[in-house]
Amino acid sequence: NAGVMQNPRHLVRRRGQEARLRCSPMKGHSHVYWYRQLPEEGLKFMVYLQKENIIDESGMPKERFSAEFPKEGPSILRIQQVVRGDSAAYFCASSPLSTGQGFDGYTFGSGTRLTVV
Amino acid sequence: GENVEQHPSTLSVQEGDSAVIKCTYSDSASNYFPWYKQELGKRPQLIIDIRSNVGEKKDQRIAVTLNKTAKHFSLHITETQPEDSAVYFCAPKSPSGGYQKVTFGTGTKLQVIP
Repeated sequence: NAGVMQNPRHLVRRRGQEARLRCSPMKGHSHVYWYRQLPEEGLKFMVYLQKENIIDESGMPKERFSAEFPKEGPSILRIQQVVRGDSAAYFCASSPLSTGQGFDGYTFGSGTRLTVV
Repeated sequence: GENVEQHPSTLSVQEGDSAVIKCTYSDSASNYFPWYKQELGKRPQLIIDIRSNVGEKKDQRIAVTLNKTAKHFSLHITETQPEDSAVYFCAPKSPSGGYQKVTFGTGTKLQVIP
């Protein structure tokens, strides 16, 4: 089991470009959670997705950010027209079931470190 | 939503001493209480957890204690070693919007001085 895979590990984008971050959950997992971590800060919830459904996007900025988890393939976090303030580490975690149904702790991917120049 | 606070925000201890980090939460319905360790430049990793029907759990040099009445739980590290230096996050789980939502604390930076 390869664990939660995120790529790329590092991503540099110029202001105004688009950033696409990918997260492949652990084998057999169908729930994905995205978190953002600004330098020297904690983990902020962004979005929770199941296959083909967004369950909770209350932590996602209303503009420029979107997420999907298609039936086939990885979950994608997309940031359009990036700004310097988007520079952060983006982590995803996956679970086989929704938390509260027998699954408790998170296994995180290695993260994508986005730098906007 | 759940309000989660950690204290202290930074902690320096001499190698071999003990360290205690406290996490206070607001939702009395919270039912799962984990601690994560994040080393510099790495992913957060679950190190110990406790459920609401248990008061204390120990795993070698680390332990977690829970006080549901007061709505706080604590991480205890004994005989600290330099490799314990990291940022520690609590992340209680509470029902929200039809599923169990996890809210991370602000983190405690632990420095173990050799």
